[in-house]
Formats: sequence, structure tokens, C-alpha cells
Amino acid sequence: EIVLTQSPATLSLSPGERATLSCRASQSVSNYLAWYQQKPGQAPRLLIYGASNRATGIPARFSGSGSGTDFTLTISSLQPEDFALYYCQQRNNWPETFGQGTKVEIK
Amino acid sequence: QVQLQESGPGLVKPSETLSLTCTVSGGSITGYYWTWIRQPPGNGLEWIGYIHYSGKTKYNPSVQSRVTISVDKSENQFSLKLSSVTAADTAVYYCARYTELLGKYYMDVWDKGTTVTVSS
Repeated sequence: EIVLTQSPATLSLSPGERATLSCRASQSVSNYLAWYQQKPGQAPRLLIYGASNRATGIPARFSGSGSGTDFTLTISSLQPEDFALYYCQQRNNWPETFGQGTKVEIK
Repeated sequence: QVQLQESGPGLVKPSETLSLTCTVSGGSITGYYWTWIRQPPGNGLEWIGYIHYSGKTKYNPSVQSRVTISVDKSENQFSLKLSSVTAADTAVYYCARYTELLGKYYMDVWDKGTTVTVSS
């Protein structure tokens, strides 16, 4: 099973700042990686698929990059609604797995 | 717009079977893969398994011996059964749809989740 390690566990930033979230895979997942956003009491929402493609309706301030084992989710300028939990997920190997999440909180 | 709605008991006794159903509205179950994911309290997400509308399934080895996912095309529903539950199965359970994007399937529609507690 592929293990996805997300860092940092918590990111404390102010609105308007840039957020950089990392996801590292225990072995290559090619570019079959997704990022999800989850707010308290809500289901996860697909943000990025194929490592770098924004899902429908996702603002341009969200971008993804990487391939192989190292991936990054960048939020260029944090908006109040972006403070949430973010998970990466790999779809290259069975079983598909999720990282443990990075919480982006207001500083 | 496709929406998913779960139904099923929120409390299950240890050693019994957890049963949840996900009803698809605003679209057809045909043509897609469908999945169950869970999130134990304070923890991350765990993929349980998926089913194709044709009935093809695949399960996470962590629950494979206890899980069955089935589909009912006539009712536009798919279901999860997890047998011999313990407190470790207490979680928020989500159903979701896979959509093919750039040659791979990703979960693009989710229901809001339902809390299932295993307790006597």
C-alpha cells in the first residue's frame, strides 16, 4: 500500500498569504494524484486531479504541481473560505490511499 | 445536477452488520463507478471499495473479508454492508461518484456523510 505523507500537519497563515502544502508518496504514483478540501461537517470537495488540473468551478488561486513522489498544492492568496483541511489522494495503485491531511488555519 | 443521499441506521451493535444505501438523484447510476469512503473520528479518509454499475467490485484489503458493495440499477442506488463490526468501524461514512478525468477516475460528487456509531 502506498503511504502518502502530508506536511506540515498544520499551516498557520493570514488571509492574503500564500499557502504551500506538500504531499510525498512512498513510491511513484506517476501524476495520478488528487487534492481535496474538507470543511468542518462537510464532505470533501475535489480541487485538483491529475496532479495539476483544477476541477470544475475551482478558483484559479488553487494550483497543483509535481509528479512521481513529490507533489505540491499552492493557494496563491488565501481567502477566508480557504481555511480548511486538505487531503491528497493517489489513484495509481490499489488500494487508493489518502494522506493524513494538512489543516490550514487562520494565524 | 447529480446528488447523493445516504440512508441507514446511525447506531449498530458490535458483531452485527452495518448497512447503508446511497441513492443517486439528478442523474443515472449507469455508466459510472461508485464508491464508499469512511472517516473515523479525528482521523483521515479511508477508501472502502467501489462498484461499477455493471456490478464489478473492488475492495480495500483492510475490510475485504467483511464488506459487500452492491448496486440496484432499477432503484438508482448502491449499498454497503460491513459485517462483524467493532468500535473501530465507528466513522462518518461517505458515498461518492467517480468520474473519468484524463484517463483516471476521481471522486467528483460526494454526499454529505452519515455518522455510524458501533456501540451496544
